[in-house]
Amino acid sequence: AQKVTQAQTEISVVEKEDVTLDCVYETRDTTYYLFWYKQPPSGELVFLIRRNSFDEQNEISGRYSWNFQKSTSSFNFTITASQVVDSAVYFCALSGGGTSYGKLTFGQGTILTVHP
Amino acid sequence: GAGVSQSPSNKVTEKGKDVELRCDPISGHTALYWYRQSLGQGLEFLIYFQGNSAPDKSGLPSDRFSAERTGGSVSTLTIQRTQQEDSAVYLCASSFSGGYGYTFGSGTRLTVV
Repeated sequence: AQKVTQAQTEISVVEKEDVTLDCVYETRDTTYYLFWYKQPPSGELVFLIRRNSFDEQNEISGRYSWNFQKSTSSFNFTITASQVVDSAVYFCALSGGGTSYGKLTFGQGTILTVHP
Repeated sequence: GAGVSQSPSNKVTEKGKDVELRCDPISGHTALYWYRQSLGQGLEFLIYFQGNSAPDKSGLPSDRFSAERTGGSVSTLTIQRTQQEDSAVYLCASSFSGGYGYTFGSGTRLTVV
C-alpha cells in the first residue's frame, strides 16, 4: 500500500521568511511519481510539480524548490522569501507507474499561513 | 473547454435522497478520476476511468456510490440514499493517457442535511 505523510499540519511564518514543507512517502513500486499541489482558499487544486522516481535532481522554479531524496523517501518543498499569496493548503501526493498512474495517494496537507 | 468543469458547484440535499454530480473533462483527455475531500478523511481516490471503462473502482466507499462515463467524455458520480457522512467536496480530474496534463476541476461541495 502507498502512504504519504506530511509532518506539519500547520505552519505560520512572517512574510519574507523561508519555509520548508516536509513530505515522506512509502511505496513498494520501483516506478512512481511524486507531486505537490497548492489549494488556495478558492478550493481548486493547483499543480506545482511532478517528479518520477528515476530523477532525483532537485528542481527550482522561481521562489519554489524541491528536494527529492530516495534514500530517505522524502520529497520536501521549500518556499524562499514567502509572500502572503503563498498562504494555502499544500498537498504532497504519490502515484504508481503504468496503469496505476493517476491514482493519487495524498498526504493530509499542510496549512501554510504567511503573515504580512 | 479549457479546463475540467464540474456541476453543480454546490449541492444541498436531504438525507436519503439521490444525487448526481457531473464532470466534463478537458477535450481529448482519455483518463478521468474522481476524488473526495472531507475534513476527517482528507483527499481520497474514488474511481478511475480510461475511456468508458473503470479499471479501478477500489475507492468507492459503499455500493451506494456508482459512476459512469459515456462517449469517453462526461462522467456522472451518483450517490444513492445520501447520508450525512457523504458531505464532502467531490473533485474530478482528467488527463491524457499516461497522466500527462493531469488537471483538477473546482469540485462540487455536497452537503447532506
